[in-house]
Amino acid sequence: SQTIHQWPATLVQPVGSPLSLECTVEGTSNPNLYWYRQAAGRGLQLLFYSIGIDQISSEVPQNLSASRPQDRQFILSSKKLLLSDSGFYLCAARSSLGGYTFGSGTRLTVV
Amino acid sequence: AQSVAQPEDQVNVAEGNPLTVKCTYSVSGNPYLFWYVQYPNRGLQFLLKYITGDNLVKGSYGFEAEFNKSQTSFHLKKPSALVSDSALYFCAVLKTHGSGNTGKLIFGQGTTLQVKP
Repeated sequence: SQTIHQWPATLVQPVGSPLSLECTVEGTSNPNLYWYRQAAGRGLQLLFYSIGIDQISSEVPQNLSASRPQDRQFILSSKKLLLSDSGFYLCAARSSLGGYTFGSGTRLTVV
Repeated sequence: AQSVAQPEDQVNVAEGNPLTVKCTYSVSGNPYLFWYVQYPNRGLQFLLKYITGDNLVKGSYGFEAEFNKSQTSFHLKKPSALVSDSALYFCAVLKTHGSGNTGKLIFGQGTTLQVKP
């Protein structure tokens, strides 16, 4: 079964600082990968998805970017964080068999 | 556009009583529907899914969901609630685009379940 590793678990960053959140997947190859953001402990908004290395699609215009340098690595980045970037970020993977797995999430607080 | 709606922000039930968490969907074609549970500051855990077949789907931790095509609903149910079931529950629909393995999960806003002793 596939497993997702996400780190760090929590992060406090000042406004204007850069961001890099990493997600790695084990137990599957060529998964679809997704970044979701959960604001205020409620709904999940899809930010980016990737169907392969260097193939990234953005769902909403924003201050963030994503990259997939390796098949099982998905990175969420920002050059300059905004207060509105605070939230709970979840990485997810969908295997070729169709199952979805979520990481344990990163709590980002921009101060 | 494909979407799901969870009309209740919060559901309160007493331990031992049956629980229902509501979800309605809007899709073109056959829906692929999911339920996930989230405990505080954690990722989402899969409970069950409906792809095709029996309208009553059984999942993890004693949960089940009933697919009702005429009412476009996929309500989550459990015959006897536990205090440990208290969590945030999400209904989701698979949004497919193109062919192959490229679907995205579109989530409802979530329903907080509180089970009181």
